[in-house]
Amino acid sequence: EAGVAQSPRYKIIEKRQSVAFWCNPISGHATLYWYQQILGQGPKLLIQFQNNGVVDDSQLPKDRFSAERLKGVDSTLKIQPAKLEDSAVYLCASSLGPPRPTDTQYFGPGTRLTVL
Amino acid sequence: AQSVTQPDIHITVSEGASLELRCNYSYGATPYLFWYVQSPGQGLQLLLKYFSGDTLVQGIKGFEAEFKRSQSSFNLRKPSVHWSDAAEYFCAVGERGGGNKLTFGTGTQLKVEL
Repeated sequence: EAGVAQSPRYKIIEKRQSVAFWCNPISGHATLYWYQQILGQGPKLLIQFQNNGVVDDSQLPKDRFSAERLKGVDSTLKIQPAKLEDSAVYLCASSLGPPRPTDTQYFGPGTRLTVL
Repeated sequence: AQSVTQPDIHITVSEGASLELRCNYSYGATPYLFWYVQSPGQGLQLLLKYFSGDTLVQGIKGFEAEFKRSQSSFNLRKPSVHWSDAAEYFCAVGERGGGNKLTFGTGTQLKVEL
């Protein structure tokens, strides 16, 4: 079974530029999550989708971050414009069923973003 | 709001020695608790989880953890560490009320000396 795929693996941009990350969850997984992991910290949930609907985006900085999962499969996370403090690893995860705490989340390898 | 504290940022153990990584949580009800491991360049992998019942839970790779409600702790243990266990370990707590939101600790970096 293929795992969660993310691209690109690394991205370097200058502040005020825009950037997009892509995630392909495990086939058949209904729920998809985006996390931000700043160096020295644990991952922080930004947004979770069930199919193509948003379940929780309470920690997403909506003035600059956006995410979509239009067909309920792949997802993109965008930052526009980027700030220095957005430098982090962006992790995508997926789980099989509706978002339940008993459902295991499977994580991708992440995209490391550096904002100069 | 729920929170997780991992008091040890770095731990070094010798190969073959026992290991205990500490985790304390803050949550109003009985929590869902998890330990994940993150190796360089790889995503987080679930080691074990506690939802209810037996407070000693077994996980993959020979790891176990014990839930102690009185101490608000969920420490991870392994009787004999292998060099391949060197990685970063994250404790997390999940909410019981809706969604699947995990709150992670800041992680413990494990170094294994040969």
